Amino acid sequence: KAGVTQTPRYLIKTRGQQVTLSCSPISGHRSVSWYQQTPGQGLQFLFEYFSETQRNKGNFPGRFSGRQFSNSRSEMNVSTLELGDSALYLCASSWGSGRETQYFGPGTRLLVL
Amino acid sequence: ELKVEQNPLFLSMQEGKNYTIYCNYSTTSDRLYWYRQDPGKSLESLFVLLSNGAVKQEGRLMASLDTKARLSTLHITAAVHDLSATYFCAAENTGNQFYFGTGTSLTVIP
Repeated sequence: KAGVTQTPRYLIKTRGQQVTLSCSPISGHRSVSWYQQTPGQGLQFLFEYFSETQRNKGNFPGRFSGRQFSNSRSEMNVSTLELGDSALYLCASSWGSGRETQYFGPGTRLLVL
Repeated sequence: ELKVEQNPLFLSMQEGKNYTIYCNYSTTSDRLYWYRQDPGKSLESLFVLLSNGAVKQEGRLMASLDTKARLSTLHITAAVHDLSATYFCAAENTGNQFYFGTGTSLTVIP
């Protein structure tokens, strides 16, 4: 069974640009969550989606948005990038609507210059 | 806001020894999670604890939850080098908000 895949793996953008990151969950998993990891703020929860619906959202500005498609694949978008958005973005999938055992992708490392 | 504190932040221990990582959270939490992260890698789910008194074990790791004390522990038994990693706990409150602890960097010395 293929694991969680994230694309791209590495990305360099400049301030003010926007970026879209993609996450393909394990086949059959309906829940996808996104997390941001930075040296300064640590790990923070971004969003959780289940069956195309956003179940909850962390404390991030509106520049951060996401969606989930009918095949459970998910995307997150960050508009008007800031230097502080440089981070490792992780997505995780699980079968049900709760955060039972999650399987994490390798992450997308975003650098904003 | 739910606050999650882990201690210690850094832990260096000899192979074969036992130790415990502590995770305190500030308000009522429905669920408590433990994760492992190897350097430069993604996260790996270890345990999900759903109720007061829950105890889960996998190999040399055992996690427990005391909701009255707002405390979860991750106990390491007879540590081996392969357990060297950073361990995170995370708590989820009734509003489905989810917060991570700062992490405990564990180094097991031969």
